[in-house]
This record gives sequence, C-alpha cells and structure tokens, in this order.
Amino acid sequence: QQPVQSPQAVILREGEDAVINCSSSKALYSVHWYRQKHGEAPVFLMILLKGGEQKGHEKISASFNEKKQQSSLYLTASQLSYSGTYFCGTGPGGSQGNLIFGKGTKLSVKP
Amino acid sequence: ETGVTQTPRHLVMGMTNKKSLKCEQHLGHNAMYWYKQSAKKPLELMFVYSLEERVENNSVPSRFSPECPNSSHLFLHLHTLQPEDSALYLCASSQGVLANTEAFFGQGTRLTVV
Repeated sequence: QQPVQSPQAVILREGEDAVINCSSSKALYSVHWYRQKHGEAPVFLMILLKGGEQKGHEKISASFNEKKQQSSLYLTASQLSYSGTYFCGTGPGGSQGNLIFGKGTKLSVKP
Repeated sequence: ETGVTQTPRHLVMGMTNKKSLKCEQHLGHNAMYWYKQSAKKPLELMFVYSLEERVENNSVPSRFSPECPNSSHLFLHLHTLQPEDSALYLCASSQGVLANTEAFFGQGTRLTVV
C-alpha cells in the first residue's frame, strides 16, 4: 500500500532539473508532495486530485497519471533552497482519506 | 513561525517513565494527527482526530495513548516505552479530510528511549 518513490537520492548542481517519481499499486484519489529539510517540519508543496485539479506551489510542477497510478514532481532550474527530502503521500479517497507516505527522495543541490 | 507547535522538541526517557507530548495548532483546523518518523522509514500515521473524536488508530501499541481535549490541542501520552519507539513524533493538522487538503506539520518531538 505504501507508494514507491524513485530515485532514493539525487545530487544536482544549481540550475539543473530533476524529476521525482511516485507510484502506487492501488487506485488513487489524490497525490500529495511535501518537502522536509533536516531538523524541520515537512512542508506542503502540492496536491494533485483525481480529475486533474492541482493546488500548490508556483515554481514546482507535477503530473498525476490516474491510469498508471503514478505521479511525478518536476523541479526545474533548481536552487540551493530546494535541498531536502521529498515525500509523496497517496490518498485512496473516502470519508477518512488519510495519507500513506513513501520513504522519501533525498535531493541535494550543490553550488 | 509554524502554525503547529510541539513541545518538548527533545525528550529522553527511561522505559519505566511516563511522559506526554503536546501539540497545539493555531490555524482553526478541525482535524489533527500524530505521525511517527523513524530513520529510513516512511511517515507512519498513528492517530487521527476529527472534530475532537478519534477516527482512526492504525494498530498502535497501547503504550501510546492520545488525547484531544479540544480542536486546538492534541496530546500523546507515553508509558513503558521500548527503545524501538525512539523516533521523531510529528503532529499535523488540516481543515477537512487529509486526502483533499494540505497538512500543516509541527517541527516534531525527537524522542529517545533509554
């Protein structure tokens, strides 16, 4: 039930692009993306809902393929501040609708 | 400053101790959550409270006991913990069902059981 994230870790130079993937074996209602910096709380980035609605960050984009039960997070022209661990959380829907998180992808942006 | 505040930030306790973790949200949300974050493991949902009533308990051992006296406060009471319970405990809140809306996390309590 836990979504699978890939890659587990990635190192970038400032200005480079990255893609982080999240896939689930179950039908999804929503996909959430959060970023957590070392010693800090996870911070919301984006929600993608079944049907195409998106809510989130101006500088970060994502896609949600409902049929493939996958989502990808696109980080373009990366900045040093993008460093951290990115988690996807998947929601099966329903009245409870709580999230199950993946293990995370550690992103390091170097100058 | 985060809208979700957790205290204490760090806690070391013996296996026979009793302690409590506190979470307070200043966002007017109606749902609150406890998550456990261990090294190399995903965030694990422990408890969910919606409108001050517990709606989900993900098979958490009874040595963890939550309490939600009102919509702004959430506690996690700890007793006779094991060393494997050492982890970062995160509180979160949301307005409505979490799958449809964003969660706001506190900075967590780093718990070490000795």
